[in-house]
Amino acid sequence: DGGITQSPKYLFRKEGQNVTLSCEQNLNHDAMYWYRQDPGQGLRLIYYSQIVNDFQKGDIAEGYSVSREKKESFPLTVTSAQKNPTAFYLCASSRRFQNEKLFFGSGTQLSVL
Amino acid sequence: AQSVTQLGSHVSVSEGALVLLRCNYSSSVPPYLFWYVQYPNQGLQLLLKYTSAATLVKGINGFEAEFKKSETSFHLTKPSAHMSDAAEYFCAVSEQGGSEKLVFGKGTKLTVNP
Repeated sequence: DGGITQSPKYLFRKEGQNVTLSCEQNLNHDAMYWYRQDPGQGLRLIYYSQIVNDFQKGDIAEGYSVSREKKESFPLTVTSAQKNPTAFYLCASSRRFQNEKLFFGSGTQLSVL
Repeated sequence: AQSVTQLGSHVSVSEGALVLLRCNYSSSVPPYLFWYVQYPNQGLQLLLKYTSAATLVKGINGFEAEFKKSETSFHLTKPSAHMSDAAEYFCAVSEQGGSEKLVFGKGTKLTVNP
């Protein structure tokens, strides 16, 4: 079945540590997105990519980094510069047309030790 | 700038009762409007989407929403709630452009009581 796979489901970060969240899709979508979800806050866009080897900052990119070396993969690194990383992180993908629906992964819960 | 407001962070209904989740939007151009559903510890799934073809939009699982331009609203309804409808629901708005322009509301958590 086609879909988006996020791993791990739970992740713990120590102070000063960088951690990387994985996102893989087999939907042949050009566009991929990373969202951060905090309780009662909805979803906020961190980074997005519309094509391989290109990505753009979203609304809350500080303390995060991404890469898009393959169409299928869009990993997110939460750096030590992100002082409040505890959140639920969602990866999504879509076709690269106007207002296409988003397909979401099942998320990664990141917590700080 | 576009924005969306969901009235009521928590809504509780009895099984079999009407479900009404409210969404109001602000947009300077005719918007695209979406409702997504999120089950516990899962990603979001599209319920329905308004793209100006029809003001009453039918979605999955018996949900529908009506676009009312005069009220700038896009409320989500279901005639009869089922226990399996318990989830968090997000309204989202997008003006002309790609999906990176999508703005989400803060969500409404629906509880269904037996």
